[in-house]
Amino acid sequence: QQPVQSPQAVILREGEDAVINCSSSKALYSVHWYRQKHGEAPVFLMILLKGGEQKGHEKISASFNEKKQQSSLYLTASQLSYSGTYFCGTELGYGNKLVFGAGTILRVKS
Amino acid sequence: NAGVTQTPKFQVLKTGQSMTLQCAQDMNHEYMSWYRQDPGMGLRLIHYSVGAGITDQGEVPNGYNVSRSTTEDFPLRLLSAAPSQTSVYFCASSSGFRGEQYFGPGTRLTVT
Repeated sequence: QQPVQSPQAVILREGEDAVINCSSSKALYSVHWYRQKHGEAPVFLMILLKGGEQKGHEKISASFNEKKQQSSLYLTASQLSYSGTYFCGTELGYGNKLVFGAGTILRVKS
Repeated sequence: NAGVTQTPKFQVLKTGQSMTLQCAQDMNHEYMSWYRQDPGMGLRLIHYSVGAGITDQGEVPNGYNVSRSTTEDFPLRLLSAAPSQTSVYFCASSSGFRGEQYFGPGTRLTVT
């Protein structure tokens, strides 16, 4: 039931763009995105809800394809501060449980 | 506001010992949860609570107990520690399930 994230890791240079994908084999009610820097706690980025509503930080862009049971996180003009591990959490059945993916490691180099 | 606090930050236990990981939040959030994080596994939900007196199991509840007597506190009890429970434990809170979750700094637990 764990969502699959791709790629597992990506290295960028400052200013480059990246897309992180999250896919599930089951119908999704919502997708939650978090970023975690090494040795720190995860930090909220965005929630995408079935029906099209989104809540999150203005500088983050993401999509949610309900039919394909997929979500993508778009990181444009990457900065060094974008480095970290990105997790998607999926709400599989309507309720209060999130199942997180294994994470995507993003490293931005100068 | 302190946000979400967790104690202790580090703990070493011997197999079979019991202990309680403390979690408190001062944001008056109804939803609180406990996760464990292991390398390559992401975050796995142990238990969660939607309000004082209401708790439910997550993905990996075995070996852990919780209770929620107040809105602020959500302690996690390890009944009889096992090496498989070596992990980093995060507590989180939010105003609702589909809201921004605020994570505590984590507790790094080692069971020998």
